[in-house]
Amino acid sequence: SQKIEQNSEALNIQEGKTATLTCNYTNYSPAYLQWYRQDPGRGPVFLLLIRENEKEKRKERLKVTFDTTLKQSLFHITASQPADSATYLCALSQGGKLIFGQGTELSVKP
Amino acid sequence: NAGVMQNPRHLVRRRGQEARLRCSPMKGHSHVYWYRQLPEEGLKFMVYLQKENIIDESGMPKERFSAEFPKEGPSILRIQQVVRGDSAAYFCASSNQGANHNEQFFGPGTRLTVL
Repeated sequence: SQKIEQNSEALNIQEGKTATLTCNYTNYSPAYLQWYRQDPGRGPVFLLLIRENEKEKRKERLKVTFDTTLKQSLFHITASQPADSATYLCALSQGGKLIFGQGTELSVKP
Repeated sequence: NAGVMQNPRHLVRRRGQEARLRCSPMKGHSHVYWYRQLPEEGLKFMVYLQKENIIDESGMPKERFSAEFPKEGPSILRIQQVVRGDSAAYFCASSNQGANHNEQFFGPGTRLTVL
């Protein structure tokens, strides 16, 4: 069956460092992969979408890569700030609906 | 432009009662999706609707759960005879198209507690 996995352990980093989050998937060949941010008690907020023919996508301090051979996406936040602390979700699109990973909690310490 | 609205934000029900969750999509959006987030778990797709039609309900439990998105008014997720295991956060999202390359806009969620 289709599976999407993200680092289950929380990621703790120092302010100013680069945070790297991993999303791996199996038994699936998505054309699109999306990343969302979720703060406690709130709904997810869309961050970036990357297509299968795009190796890399950037938006301000965010960068996403998509390796369809490895079946993996990496999500980077450069020059991280305490305000970046949140749970980050990767999601694959299928028939319009989103299939989410379980999320990785990021904590940026000042 | 108001975002996706959900109400109520918090809902407490006793076992056996009915829960009705409402979702008003963003203006101009005709595609609505419902997701459930159990404590310490990820978001799970439940149902995808487009005005008056259910497109995909593969994630919806076969019994007690139903969803609708009428021509006029909000989308409704209805849970009959609630059980403690239904306690979760229920999120609604909307998009202007149902294509895979469209981002979805999420509401703040309804937190259902079953006593």
